[in-house]
Amino acid sequence: DTGVSQDPRHKITKRGQNVTFRCDPISEHNRLYWYRQTLGQGPEFLTYFQNEAQLEKSRLLSDRFSAERPKGSFSTLEIQRTEQGDSAMYLCASSLSPNSPLHFGNGTRLTVT
Amino acid sequence: DQQVKQNSPSLSVQEGRISILNCDYTNSMFDYFLWYKKYPAEGPTFLISISSIKDKNEDGRFTVFLNKSAKHLSLHSVPSQPGDSAVYFCAASAAQGGNTGKLIFGQGTTLQVKP
Repeated sequence: DTGVSQDPRHKITKRGQNVTFRCDPISEHNRLYWYRQTLGQGPEFLTYFQNEAQLEKSRLLSDRFSAERPKGSFSTLEIQRTEQGDSAMYLCASSLSPNSPLHFGNGTRLTVT
Repeated sequence: DQQVKQNSPSLSVQEGRISILNCDYTNSMFDYFLWYKKYPAEGPTFLISISSIKDKNEDGRFTVFLNKSAKHLSLHSVPSQPGDSAVYFCAASAAQGGNTGKLIFGQGTTLQVKP
């Protein structure tokens, strides 16, 4: 168990640019989640996958955001035309089953200038 | 609409004493509750959970109490250790919906354990 891995750890981008983050869940975890955390707040749910199927998306996930999980393994989160309000920590988590706790990665910190 | 609230942004306790972190929720559909601990530059780490069919769950130094009528839960840890210094998040989900992974988090409480 190598834990949930996220890449990159930090990303600085200019407003209007596109960015993509990657998450590698714990192997054999079929559920994968994306959360976003801003300063002074707890993580907020964005979306989740069961295997390769994206089953739910939060209304926080505007049409500039897209997430994929091809083949049910790693996942990517893309933000198009970034805005300063997108600056946050993006956390990925995985779980083995619906009733098991989430295991979080260390996150990708995005700064939009 | 903050459905999960941690009203104390910070708490300081002496090493060896008990620390008590509190959390309130408003959604009566929540039936599964968790506590996560977060160190700087790391993701949240699962600590302990409780289902609404119970009112207490213990795991080592940590005990979580759930008061459904008051919509309140608390995390007790004793004895507190300096390594416990971290941000603690309370989280809840409506597990009957079949997705315990969609968690609603509180704002967090920063615990400082003084040696």
